[in-house]
Amino acid sequence: SQTIHQWPATLVQPVGSPLSLECTVEGTSNPNLYWYRQAAGRGLQLLFYSVGIGQISSEVPQNLSASRPQDRQFILSSKKLLLSDSGFYLCAWSRDLTGTGGAANYGYTFGSGTRLTVV
Amino acid sequence: QKEVEQDPGPLSVPEGAIVSLNCTYSNSAFQYFMWYRQYSRKGPELLMYTYSSGNKEDGRFTAQVDKSSKYISLFIRDSQPSDSATYLCAMSPQTGANNLFFGTGTRLTVIP
Repeated sequence: SQTIHQWPATLVQPVGSPLSLECTVEGTSNPNLYWYRQAAGRGLQLLFYSVGIGQISSEVPQNLSASRPQDRQFILSSKKLLLSDSGFYLCAWSRDLTGTGGAANYGYTFGSGTRLTVV
Repeated sequence: QKEVEQDPGPLSVPEGAIVSLNCTYSNSAFQYFMWYRQYSRKGPELLMYTYSSGNKEDGRFTAQVDKSSKYISLFIRDSQPSDSATYLCAMSPQTGANNLFFGTGTRLTVIP
C-alpha cells in the first residue's frame, strides 16, 4: 500500500532563517507531488506541483521554492522566512489514472502536515 | 467567481442529527467529485468520491451530485461526536496532475 511521510510535524523558526520541509512517498512510482498551504478560513492554496524528477511548477510567486531530487521525494524550501510564511503545509500525491478501469482513488492523498510558525 | 464555493460554517448539530454539507461549482466540465474530512491539525483524508451525477452511499455517509444544478452534497446520518471535523469538497474535470479544485471547507461540530 502507498504511504506518504511528511516531517517535521511542527516547526518554530525565526524570521530570516532558512526552511526545509521534506515529503516522501512509498509504495508507488512516478507520482504527481504537491505542496499546499492551508490558512485558517482560506482553504487549500496550491504552492507547487511536480509531475517528475526535476519538474516543478509554481502556482503562486512567493518566498518559497520546491525541488524533486528523487522520484518519490519532494522538498519545500526557503532561504529567508517571512512572518507571512507561517501556516499549515501539506504534501500530497496522486497518480494519473487515465485509461485504467475499475475502482480507483481519483483524489489526492495528503500527508499529516507541518505546522510552521515564524517568529 | 471561484471555481468551487463552500459555506465555511461553522455548523453545530446535536448528536444523532442528520448533517447536510454542500458545495456549488461553476465549471460544467467537472466529472469527479470528492469529499475530504480533516481533523484538527491533521491532513485531509479522502472520505468519498463519485463520478458524474448520482448518489453514493457508504455507511452513514451519502454523497450526492446534481450536475444540472452544479451542486454536490454530503449527508451524514446519525452524526457522532467523532464526525466533528472540517469537510472539504473537491472536484476535477479528469484525472491527471494539478486539476483538483477544493472548496474552503465547512467546520462541523457534533455536540454530545
